Amino acid sequence: TQLLEQSPQFLSIQEGENLTVYCNSSSVFSSLQWYRQEPGEGPVLLVTVVTGGEVKKLKRLTFQFGDARKDSSLHITAAQPGDTGLYLCAGAVGGSQGNLIFGKGTKLSVKP
Amino acid sequence: EAGVAQSPRYKIIEKRQSVAFWCNPISGHATLYWYQQILGQGPKLLIQFQNNGVVDDSQLPKDRFSAERLKGVDSTLKIQPAKLEDSAVYLCASSLYRGFSYEQYFGPGTRLTVT
Repeated sequence: TQLLEQSPQFLSIQEGENLTVYCNSSSVFSSLQWYRQEPGEGPVLLVTVVTGGEVKKLKRLTFQFGDARKDSSLHITAAQPGDTGLYLCAGAVGGSQGNLIFGKGTKLSVKP
Repeated sequence: EAGVAQSPRYKIIEKRQSVAFWCNPISGHATLYWYQQILGQGPKLLIQFQNNGVVDDSQLPKDRFSAERLKGVDSTLKIQPAKLEDSAVYLCASSLYRGFSYEQYFGPGTRLTVT
């Protein structure tokens, strides 16, 4: 069974702080996606990483895919209250036509 | 471009009753997914359709859950009879292949409470 473990489970920080959340697995994924989910809404795709060692930046968010394509991290610089939400990583199972395995998520709260 | 539409947004039923959820995917998206998200968990895939055919339903509790996607567009997910442990948010998503991965777009979900 392929599993994605996310850490920390909960994170509460002050506006302006930096943070990193992690997504780890013993399995190799063909690609990995990060989503953000706000209360009462569905997850929204932030980024897809495909190549081992790949780094992608989206404004203050930096995503990295591990060299072995088993893990990923999300770093947020100068967090803002608008970053509050549940951050989910999801690994694509190769050849599955889009079947994703989701982690349990990291619940981030950024206080003003 | 309109997003994925789901209805109803909320539903409260008693155990052993039946319930149905509806999803309208983004126009042109051939792949449609139903997920179950229990509080504090990530979404768990229940069933995946490619057009009107089932690609993966290995995690669908087939004794009580059923889903269909007639004409390859809208889809319905049914639970009959419902159990207390079915209380969750049911998410529908549709996807577009980008050449290296499938990007999934989610609807707002239906929050089901079984009492």
